[in-house]
Amino acid sequence: GENVEQHPSTLSVQEGDSAVIKCTYSDSASNYFPWYKQELGKGPQLIIDIRSNVGEKKDQRIAVTLNKTAKHFSLHITETQPEDSAVYFCAASYNDMRFGAGTRLTVKP
Amino acid sequence: IAGITQAPTSQILAAGRRMTLRCTQDMRHNAMYWYRQDLGLGLRLIHYSNTAGTTGKGEVPDGYSVSRANTDDFPLTLASAVPSQTSVYFCASSDGLGGTGELFFGEGSRLTVL
Repeated sequence: GENVEQHPSTLSVQEGDSAVIKCTYSDSASNYFPWYKQELGKGPQLIIDIRSNVGEKKDQRIAVTLNKTAKHFSLHITETQPEDSAVYFCAASYNDMRFGAGTRLTVKP
Repeated sequence: IAGITQAPTSQILAAGRRMTLRCTQDMRHNAMYWYRQDLGLGLRLIHYSNTAGTTGKGEVPDGYSVSRANTDDFPLTLASAVPSQTSVYFCASSDGLGGTGELFFGEGSRLTVL
């Protein structure tokens, strides 16, 4: 089955700096790569996703890049704000969705 | 719009007891899922249902059972709880099958088995 690895497990940045979270996956058949944000005491929420027919997608301050050859994808958050502090999960899916272990992002004001 | 409602929010349970976590959605999504979240392990799929009347096993199904009698409800049952089932459980739904669409999660049920 699919195996997703996510790095780093924790990330601390200064407000205004950029944050990058990286994931690798094992199943070359995976074709859908979402990113979820989980705030304290809440369920995860989708923030951005990318499908295998595109290499990059942007939505305001967040962007995701996908390298299918290398089987890795990344989340980029620019101009970070304290409200970006949360746990972020990547996932990869073909028939069923597998999640990475999560990255706890802290944005210091 | 409520989305996904889970109950209970939190529960402490003695080992060996039976427990059912409830999940109800009001979005008329066909697919529903149960995940457990453990520190350092992310979200792991326990069971899923692609449509009412069908269920399937996920990555970590042992010790759990589910049923899908109708579109809206997807209860998760622990027949005889063990301490390793201490976790936060999330129910989710999607209008895309096979994990190809956005998952909508509930707020979670924190279960402690002593």
